[in-house]
Amino acid sequence: AQSVTQPDIHITVSEGASLELRCNYSYGATPYLFWYVQSPGQGLQLLLKYFSGDTLVQGIKGFEAEFKRSQSSFNLRKPSVHWSDAAEYFCAVGANFGNEKLTFGTGTRLTIIP
Amino acid sequence: DAGVTQSPTHLIKTRGQHVTLRCSPISGHKSVSWYQQVLGQGPQFIFQYYEKEERGRGNFPDRFSARQFPNYSSELNVNALLLGDSALYLCASSFKGEETQYFGPGTRLLVL
Repeated sequence: AQSVTQPDIHITVSEGASLELRCNYSYGATPYLFWYVQSPGQGLQLLLKYFSGDTLVQGIKGFEAEFKRSQSSFNLRKPSVHWSDAAEYFCAVGANFGNEKLTFGTGTRLTIIP
Repeated sequence: DAGVTQSPTHLIKTRGQHVTLRCSPISGHKSVSWYQQVLGQGPQFIFQYYEKEERGRGNFPDRFSARQFPNYSSELNVNALLLGDSALYLCASSFKGEETQYFGPGTRLLVL
């Protein structure tokens, strides 16, 4: 069974500082990997995805993530955060065949301080 | 193009009642999935439908059921509501169910 671990429940970062959110997954084959962002009371917005190929993927809003098979990780990064980045971030894994479901981590809440 | 739409946005029910939640996928998408997100947790998979057929089911009781219509819209039904069913119910659509899923804004259900 596939699973996702987001070890950081809450992270606080100063505006303009760099950000890295951690994600570790468990899956028997090459997974599909996703990062979604959720603002309070809202649905999920896709930031980026990895299916295959280049292990460094670029997403919207200046985010990027790197797939590291040896570490079973897919960490999300941003070089300089903005106050509008404050939200909940979810990492998810899907099967690479017949993607019947996404399995999500428990999320990391990001707080931005001035 | 319109994204995934869900109705209603908010709903209050009492224990034992029944609820129906509705979802319209992105135009051209034929697969719809439903997720339950309890406060403070990540979404949990409930169902996936593709071309009106159930393609996957998560670990939810039989009180939960769903269907997909010829226009690819979908309904999620929950019978005999429990307090623990209070959650944000998210619908996601994709073209065939094997690619990126795009989520709607959700329906927030409160069971009293």
